[in-house]
Amino acid sequence: DIQMTQSPSSVSASVGDRVTITCRASQSITSRLAWYQQKPGKAPKLLIYDASNLQSGVPSRFSGSGSGTDFTLTISSLQPEDFATYYCQQAKSFPLTFGGGTKVEIK
Amino acid sequence: VQVLESGGGLVQPGESLRLSCSASGFTFSSHAMSWVRQAPGKGLEWVSAISTTGATTYYTDSVKGRFTISRDNSKNTLYLQMNSLRAEDTALYYCANDIRDGNNYGWFDPWGQGTLVTVSS
Repeated sequence: DIQMTQSPSSVSASVGDRVTITCRASQSITSRLAWYQQKPGKAPKLLIYDASNLQSGVPSRFSGSGSGTDFTLTISSLQPEDFATYYCQQAKSFPLTFGGGTKVEIK
Repeated sequence: VQVLESGGGLVQPGESLRLSCSASGFTFSSHAMSWVRQAPGKGLEWVSAISTTGATTYYTDSVKGRFTISRDNSKNTLYLQMNSLRAEDTALYYCANDIRDGNNYGWFDPWGQGTLVTVSS
Protein backbone atom coordinates (compact mmCIF):
# COMPACT_ATOMS: atom_id res chain seq x y z
CA ASP A 1 0.00 0.00 0.00
CA ILE A 2 1.09 3.58 -0.66
CA GLN A 3 1.47 5.55 2.56
CA MET A 4 0.66 9.26 2.50
CA THR A 5 2.32 11.48 5.10
CA GLN A 6 1.18 15.04 5.67
CA SER A 7 3.02 17.77 7.52
CA PRO A 8 2.47 19.61 9.66
CA SER A 9 -0.40 17.89 11.48
CA SER A 10 -1.63 21.30 12.54
CA VAL A 11 -0.76 24.91 11.81
CA SER A 12 -1.84 28.14 13.45
CA ALA A 13 -2.17 31.06 11.08
CA SER A 14 -3.78 34.47 10.76
CA VAL A 15 -6.15 35.81 8.15
CA GLY A 16 -4.07 36.95 5.20
CA ASP A 17 -1.19 34.54 5.86
CA ARG A 18 0.27 32.26 3.23
CA VAL A 19 -0.09 28.64 4.32
CA THR A 20 1.71 25.65 2.82
CA ILE A 21 0.88 22.02 3.57
CA THR A 22 3.10 19.17 2.45
CA CYS A 23 2.17 15.63 1.47
CA ARG A 24 4.70 12.88 0.81
CA ALA A 25 3.96 9.53 -0.81
CA SER A 26 5.90 6.39 0.09
CA GLN A 27 6.48 5.73 -3.61
CA SER A 28 5.97 7.64 -6.83
CA ILE A 29 2.36 8.44 -7.62
CA THR A 30 3.24 10.64 -10.63
CA SER A 31 0.59 13.41 -10.42
CA ARG A 32 -2.22 11.22 -9.09
CA LEU A 33 -2.95 13.34 -6.04
CA ALA A 34 -6.01 15.16 -4.73
CA TRP A 35 -6.51 17.65 -1.91
CA TYR A 36 -9.72 17.92 0.14
CA GLN A 37 -10.99 20.42 2.66
CA GLN A 38 -13.20 19.31 5.53
CA LYS A 39 -14.94 21.61 7.96
CA PRO A 40 -16.29 20.32 11.30
CA GLY A 41 -19.48 18.30 10.87
CA LYS A 42 -19.32 18.55 7.09
CA ALA A 43 -18.37 16.24 4.26
CA PRO A 44 -15.00 16.69 2.56
CA LYS A 45 -14.82 18.95 -0.49
CA LEU A 46 -12.49 18.42 -3.44
CA LEU A 47 -10.10 21.34 -3.93
CA ILE A 48 -7.36 20.08 -6.24
CA TYR A 49 -7.03 17.01 -8.45
CA ASP A 50 -4.18 15.62 -10.51
CA ALA A 51 -1.83 17.50 -8.18
CA SER A 52 -2.41 20.96 -9.62
CA ASN A 53 -5.85 21.22 -11.20
CA LEU A 54 -8.31 23.47 -9.39
CA GLN A 55 -11.76 21.94 -9.02
CA SER A 56 -14.57 24.06 -10.45
CA GLY A 57 -15.82 26.67 -8.01
CA VAL A 58 -12.75 26.57 -5.75
CA PRO A 59 -11.16 29.99 -5.11
CA SER A 60 -7.91 30.71 -6.92
CA ARG A 61 -6.06 31.34 -3.65
CA PHE A 62 -5.79 27.55 -3.45
CA SER A 63 -3.06 25.95 -5.54
CA GLY A 64 -1.33 22.60 -5.71
CA SER A 65 2.03 21.52 -6.99
CA GLY A 66 4.38 18.57 -7.09
CA SER A 67 4.86 15.22 -8.75
CA GLY A 68 6.40 11.89 -7.92
CA THR A 69 6.48 11.70 -4.14
CA ASP A 70 6.37 15.31 -2.90
CA PHE A 71 3.38 17.61 -3.11
CA THR A 72 2.21 20.89 -1.64
CA LEU A 73 -1.07 22.67 -1.13
CA THR A 74 -0.75 26.43 -0.81
CA ILE A 75 -3.33 28.90 0.37
CA SER A 76 -1.99 32.25 -0.81
CA SER A 77 -3.98 34.48 1.54
CA LEU A 78 -5.87 32.68 4.29
CA GLN A 79 -9.51 33.65 4.64
CA PRO A 80 -11.81 33.07 7.66
CA GLU A 81 -13.68 30.33 5.79
CA ASP A 82 -10.44 28.41 5.16
CA PHE A 83 -10.01 27.28 8.74
CA ALA A 84 -10.54 23.55 8.35
CA THR A 85 -8.75 20.23 8.06
CA TYR A 86 -7.04 19.39 4.78
CA TYR A 87 -6.35 15.90 3.45
CA CYS A 88 -4.27 14.64 0.57
CA GLN A 89 -5.20 11.41 -1.21
CA GLN A 90 -3.41 9.30 -3.79
CA ALA A 91 -5.21 7.74 -6.74
CA LYS A 92 -2.27 5.92 -8.30
CA SER A 93 -3.22 2.46 -7.07
CA PHE A 94 -5.63 0.57 -4.87
CA PRO A 95 -6.15 0.80 -1.99
CA LEU A 96 -6.66 4.52 -2.38
CA THR A 97 -5.09 6.16 0.65
CA PHE A 98 -5.38 9.47 2.46
CA GLY A 99 -2.91 11.46 4.48
CA GLY A 100 -3.56 11.93 8.17
CA GLY A 101 -4.81 15.48 7.76
CA THR A 102 -3.59 18.98 8.56
CA LYS A 103 -5.72 21.17 10.77
CA VAL A 104 -5.47 24.87 9.98
CA GLU A 105 -6.36 26.82 13.09
CA ILE A 106 -6.82 30.47 13.90
CA LYS A 107 -3.79 32.11 15.47
CA VAL B 1 -25.14 16.63 -8.53
CA GLN B 2 -26.13 14.99 -5.27
CA VAL B 3 -25.64 11.76 -3.38
CA LEU B 4 -27.62 10.80 -0.29
CA GLU B 5 -26.63 7.96 2.01
CA SER B 6 -28.93 5.96 4.25
CA GLY B 7 -29.09 2.73 6.19
CA GLY B 8 -26.74 3.39 9.07
CA GLY B 9 -27.56 2.52 12.66
CA LEU B 10 -26.48 0.80 15.86
CA VAL B 11 -25.69 -2.90 15.57
CA GLN B 12 -23.94 -5.49 17.71
CA PRO B 13 -20.61 -7.04 16.75
CA GLY B 14 -21.10 -9.82 14.21
CA GLU B 15 -24.31 -8.38 12.83
CA SER B 16 -25.00 -7.06 9.33
CA LEU B 17 -26.13 -3.77 7.80
CA ARG B 18 -26.77 -2.56 4.26
CA LEU B 19 -26.02 1.01 3.31
CA SER B 20 -27.60 2.72 0.32
CA CYS B 21 -26.59 5.79 -1.65
CA SER B 22 -29.12 7.45 -3.91
CA ALA B 23 -27.62 9.57 -6.69
CA SER B 24 -29.13 12.37 -8.73
CA GLY B 25 -28.11 15.18 -11.04
CA PHE B 26 -25.64 13.17 -13.08
CA THR B 27 -25.55 10.06 -15.25
CA PHE B 28 -25.01 7.55 -12.46
CA SER B 29 -24.31 4.64 -14.81
CA SER B 30 -21.37 6.52 -16.34
CA HIS B 31 -19.43 7.06 -13.11
CA ALA B 32 -17.41 4.76 -10.89
CA MET B 33 -18.42 5.09 -7.25
CA SER B 34 -16.75 4.61 -3.90
CA TRP B 35 -17.43 4.36 -0.19
CA VAL B 36 -15.16 6.24 2.19
CA ARG B 37 -15.46 6.16 5.97
CA GLN B 38 -14.37 8.32 8.86
CA ALA B 39 -14.18 6.99 12.41
CA PRO B 40 -15.21 9.50 15.09
CA GLY B 41 -12.52 12.14 15.44
CA LYS B 42 -10.26 10.39 12.91
CA GLY B 43 -9.17 10.81 9.32
CA LEU B 44 -10.58 9.54 6.05
CA GLU B 45 -10.31 5.90 4.96
CA TRP B 46 -11.26 4.62 1.51
CA VAL B 47 -13.31 1.43 1.85
CA SER B 48 -14.48 0.19 -1.53
CA ALA B 49 -15.05 1.13 -5.17
CA ILE B 50 -17.08 -0.20 -8.06
CA SER B 51 -16.87 0.24 -11.80
CA THR B 52 -19.61 1.77 -13.92
CA THR B 53 -21.22 -1.56 -14.77
CA GLY B 54 -20.53 -3.20 -11.43
CA ALA B 55 -18.30 -5.81 -13.04
CA THR B 56 -15.19 -4.75 -11.14
CA THR B 57 -14.93 -4.07 -7.42
CA TYR B 58 -12.13 -3.07 -5.08
CA TYR B 59 -11.81 -3.25 -1.29
CA THR B 60 -9.44 -2.21 1.42
CA ASP B 61 -7.91 -5.26 3.12
CA SER B 62 -9.68 -4.80 6.44
CA VAL B 63 -13.15 -5.32 4.88
CA LYS B 64 -12.37 -7.95 2.23
CA GLY B 65 -14.60 -10.97 2.65
CA ARG B 66 -16.99 -9.06 4.93
CA PHE B 67 -18.24 -6.12 2.82
CA THR B 68 -19.76 -6.23 -0.66
CA ILE B 69 -20.23 -3.19 -2.86
CA SER B 70 -22.86 -3.25 -5.59
CA ARG B 71 -24.95 -0.90 -7.69
CA ASP B 72 -28.27 -0.79 -9.46
CA ASN B 73 -27.95 1.58 -12.38
CA SER B 74 -31.69 1.36 -13.11
CA LYS B 75 -32.32 2.84 -9.66
CA ASN B 76 -29.31 5.19 -9.54
CA THR B 77 -28.34 3.56 -6.28
CA LEU B 78 -25.09 2.33 -4.74
CA TYR B 79 -25.00 -0.22 -1.94
CA LEU B 80 -22.62 -1.50 0.70
CA GLN B 81 -23.53 -4.79 2.33
CA MET B 82 -21.61 -5.06 5.58
CA ASN B 83 -21.43 -8.43 7.33
CA SER B 84 -19.59 -9.62 10.44
CA LEU B 85 -19.34 -6.06 11.68
CA ARG B 86 -16.66 -5.17 14.20
CA ALA B 87 -16.24 -2.33 16.65
CA GLU B 88 -13.50 -0.90 14.41
CA ASP B 89 -16.05 -0.51 11.58
CA THR B 90 -17.76 2.22 13.60
CA ALA B 91 -17.63 5.30 11.39
CA LEU B 92 -19.48 7.80 9.27
CA TYR B 93 -19.77 6.21 5.84
CA TYR B 94 -19.69 8.50 2.82
CA CYS B 95 -20.72 7.75 -0.72
CA ALA B 96 -18.49 9.50 -3.22
CA ASN B 97 -18.71 10.07 -6.94
CA ASP B 98 -15.66 10.49 -9.17
CA ILE B 99 -15.88 13.73 -11.10
CA ARG B 100 -14.93 12.05 -14.38
CA ASP B 101 -16.99 9.80 -16.62
CA GLY B 102 -15.92 6.23 -17.01
CA ASN B 103 -13.95 3.89 -14.79
CA ASN B 104 -11.86 6.52 -13.05
CA TYR B 105 -11.20 6.34 -9.35
CA GLY B 106 -9.96 9.02 -7.05
CA TRP B 107 -11.30 12.50 -7.62
CA PHE B 108 -14.29 12.49 -5.29
CA ASP B 109 -16.86 15.25 -5.55
CA PRO B 110 -19.46 15.70 -4.31
CA TRP B 111 -19.74 13.65 -1.16
CA GLY B 112 -22.97 12.88 0.63
CA GLN B 113 -23.64 13.88 4.22
CA GLY B 114 -22.73 10.39 5.39
CA THR B 115 -24.56 7.73 7.34
CA LEU B 116 -23.35 6.70 10.79
CA VAL B 117 -22.64 3.08 11.58
CA THR B 118 -22.07 2.20 15.22
CA VAL B 119 -20.97 -1.30 16.17
CA SER B 120 -21.26 -1.87 19.89
CA SER B 121 -22.58 -4.40 22.35
